Amino acid sequence: QSVLTQPPSASGTPGQRVTISCSGSSSNIGSNFVYWYQQLPGTAPKLLINRSNQRPSGVPDRFSGSKSGTSASLAISGLRSEDEADYYCAAWDDSLSGYVFGTGTKVTVI
Amino acid sequence: EVQLVESGGGLVKPGGSLRLSCAASGFTFSSYSMNWVRQAPGKGLEWVSSISSSSSYIYYADSVKGRFTISRDNAKNSLYLQMNSLRAEDTAVYYCARGEFGEISPPHYWGQGTLVTVSS
Repeated sequence: QSVLTQPPSASGTPGQRVTISCSGSSSNIGSNFVYWYQQLPGTAPKLLINRSNQRPSGVPDRFSGSKSGTSASLAISGLRSEDEADYYCAAWDDSLSGYVFGTGTKVTVI
Repeated sequence: EVQLVESGGGLVKPGGSLRLSCAASGFTFSSYSMNWVRQAPGKGLEWVSSISSSSSYIYYADSVKGRFTISRDNAKNSLYLQMNSLRAEDTAVYYCARGEFGEISPPHYWGQGTLVTVSS
């Protein structure tokens, strides 16, 4: 059972801004970095946001991450058709001594 | 270019064992932490285990603790996952994933995965 809660789906039209939330607790998001992953259909996940708000090399600046308290968010601005994918948040959990992933959010471009 | 290639997946009966391997190239393997993450068919991602660059730190998900063992051979640029007492709920694609330099860190680069099916 996932410890981090995400909405199951999100959608938008091309060019719109979409935000995905990730809700955790003091033992994970509240005290550690958050990571975001994009998984395109039929492929392995890819790191999208490192250490809560850093974009790895090659990730478009349309993607941004933020964290406040025990929650985090991923924003996709200027939505494009190729952004249709599943998105997962993750964080270290001090109580579990392990990483926890979010439940995942499927983004659809209408 | 970072490359991670998993192997060893397949069909195994409940209670059986399997050893996954991950061949790494394109980076100094001995300097980076490594992870195993799995994904059951049609489901989300589940972290399985992490190991630091020197094997000094090892962590497991509660769901596999006592049954799975992560290890690495820095001389062979390889990561392993020994899976014993397999259950139907262990059926998943298993991904090998590289972390950051040094100690335990989450996946940054992922392999393409190997499918493990536990069924009688």
